Amino acid sequence: DAGITQSPRHKVTETGTPVTLRCHQTENHRYMYWYRQDPGHGLRLIHYSYGVKDTDKGEVSDGYSVSRSKTEDFLLTLESATSSQTSVYFCAHRTGLNTEAFFGQGTRLTVV
Amino acid sequence: RKEVEQDPGPFNVPEGATVAFNCTYSNSASQSFFWYRQDCRKEPKLLMSVYSSGNEDGRFTAQLNRASQYISLLIRDSKLSDSATYLCVVRGLSGSARQLTFGSGTQLTVLP
Repeated sequence: DAGITQSPRHKVTETGTPVTLRCHQTENHRYMYWYRQDPGHGLRLIHYSYGVKDTDKGEVSDGYSVSRSKTEDFLLTLESATSSQTSVYFCAHRTGLNTEAFFGQGTRLTVV
Repeated sequence: RKEVEQDPGPFNVPEGATVAFNCTYSNSASQSFFWYRQDCRKEPKLLMSVYSSGNEDGRFTAQLNRASQYISLLIRDSKLSDSATYLCVVRGLSGSARQLTFGSGTQLTVLP
């Protein structure tokens, strides 16, 4: 158990609707991340956070926003979902910047 | 050029075989290196860190060649349970480069 859970695990939504994915960790880790995983691209960083209210953009941040009002929760919002955002989304946390990452179980999002 | 490149495979090997994967990275300032394992429809999990002097964990051996900017993973006496996708992961030195960058993965199937 990596001490990190994601919800929902599966979601189907319609184009143009907002969607929020939740990541919850119980380890009090400072560093949290959202990735998306697509065939042929591997894991790509969407946004990351170094602490409460301290977030920054990753490689593929367009169309996504995040919030971190508590250490344990990191929310990812798709402001207006598009079919190109159909993907598997993984949240991760790290104990420090020199350490490995531990992942949640993923959220499979389908935008129709 | 991708920052981290792996041969996607698939590698299909018989039980008991030895198999090796290579991964190249483009940023010579990269600091930390990892191999992750990802089972089908699951989250990535840390397999092992890669140290400058090389390191071994049971049947798994990881090597780092900084001069040529590649890392390798050797699996000896392959088991059916080794079937998975193996992800090469690299961390940079400073700023946003301290984020983990993932290769697209190498798929391994161990055949009975």
